[in-house]
Amino acid sequence: EDQVTQSPEALRLQEGESSSLNCSYTVSGLRGLFWYRQDPGKGPEFLFTLYSAGEEKEKERLKATLTKKESFLHITAPKPEDSATYLCAVQAPSNQFYFGTGTSLTVIP
Amino acid sequence: GAGVSQSPSNKVTEKGKDVELRCDPISGHTALYWYRQSLGQGLEFLIYFQGNSAPDKSGLPSDRFSAERTGGSVSTLTIQRTQQEDSAVYLCASSLVGGFGEQFFGPGTRLTVL
Repeated sequence: EDQVTQSPEALRLQEGESSSLNCSYTVSGLRGLFWYRQDPGKGPEFLFTLYSAGEEKEKERLKATLTKKESFLHITAPKPEDSATYLCAVQAPSNQFYFGTGTSLTVIP
Repeated sequence: GAGVSQSPSNKVTEKGKDVELRCDPISGHTALYWYRQSLGQGLEFLIYFQGNSAPDKSGLPSDRFSAERTGGSVSTLTIQRTQQEDSAVYLCASSLVGGFGEQFFGPGTRLTVL
């Protein structure tokens, strides 16, 4: 069964303390891996799409990388406004999307 | 703005009643997706429309759930004979091109079944 697992479930960082979030997947024939940010009471907001192993994307303090079995979302020198739940999703060949349960990030000033 | 909109934002209903949830996608987006997000769970894929057609309905949890899309735009998710386990946030997303790429999500409809 296709699965997406995110770790850790929750992460507390001091402002400026860099870290990484992990997304591991077992889907075969990956068509794409997506990162989203979700704030409380809102729908997910798109961050990145990665299509092949070795690919990297960057946006401000965020950098996403992809290997054949997992993806990392690196957060460099985070700020309190980066606090949110970060969701990973994979697209299977059937065009179904499978989401992980997310990592809840809290950045403390 | 011209984002994805959903209505109602909140819906409280009694067990056994039918409910309809509406999604207005971004104009020009050909693909539309429905998801369900339960407390502590990841987003559960329900159904995907390319135009007015749904190539794969296998994500719908039971035959009480149905969805349609008309005019390549508005979509309605209908839940018949609601059960308490149907309580969740129902999210709609649209994308410019079907089957892949960036999805834009609406704010969701919070459904509570008493």
